[in-house]
Amino acid sequence: DTEVTQTPKHLVMGMTNKKSLKCEQHMGHRAMYWYKQKAKKPPELMFVYSYEKLSINESVPSRFSPECPNSSLLNLHLHALQPEDSALYLCASSQESWEQPQHFGDGTRLSIL
Amino acid sequence: TQLLEQSPQFLSIQEGENLTVYCNSSSVFSSLQWYRQEPGEGPVLLVTVVTGGEVKKLKRLTFQFGDARKDSSLHITAAQPGDTGLYLCAGVKKGTYKYIFGTGTRLKVLA
Repeated sequence: DTEVTQTPKHLVMGMTNKKSLKCEQHMGHRAMYWYKQKAKKPPELMFVYSYEKLSINESVPSRFSPECPNSSLLNLHLHALQPEDSALYLCASSQESWEQPQHFGDGTRLSIL
Repeated sequence: TQLLEQSPQFLSIQEGENLTVYCNSSSVFSSLQWYRQEPGEGPVLLVTVVTGGEVKKLKRLTFQFGDARKDSSLHITAAQPGDTGLYLCAGVKKGTYKYIFGTGTRLKVLA
């Protein structure tokens, strides 16, 4: 069982919908990450939060909006997504910013109609 | 430009065979991690290598970090169907902040 929990596991939404992905960890980690993974490709970094503050945004379109309400939770708010945004969205955490190893959740498989 | 190139991209072998996966870069890395990812799941950490020339063993898996910390290898002895998955190396290039993944090696072990 993964120590990083992501919900929902699957999400299908239209291009005009607003939805949120959720991630939770209780390992006391202070860095949390969002990655996007397309089929048969490695994960690509989207955002990094360190001590609940956004420290890195890898030029992600504004239709993706991250939020870190507290040290255990990380959300990704979605609005007006495009079909090419369909992918597996992975959350990860590590003890300190960029300190390895990173612990990954099982991801949310997102499909945009 | 992909900083971490893995080879081979795909590998299909019979149970009991040995194999080696390579992770190469022209850049120095502070450390490298190896992950295995199975369908429908997130990557699971296998090992971290930190010191140049370091060798780590995890049951039938042997990991090596190159002397110059620019490359790494994963050797699997007597592969089993349970070893099937996507193998990813990853790390932070020395002097940067960005954590990057290798191009991945998709392994299938046939019973």
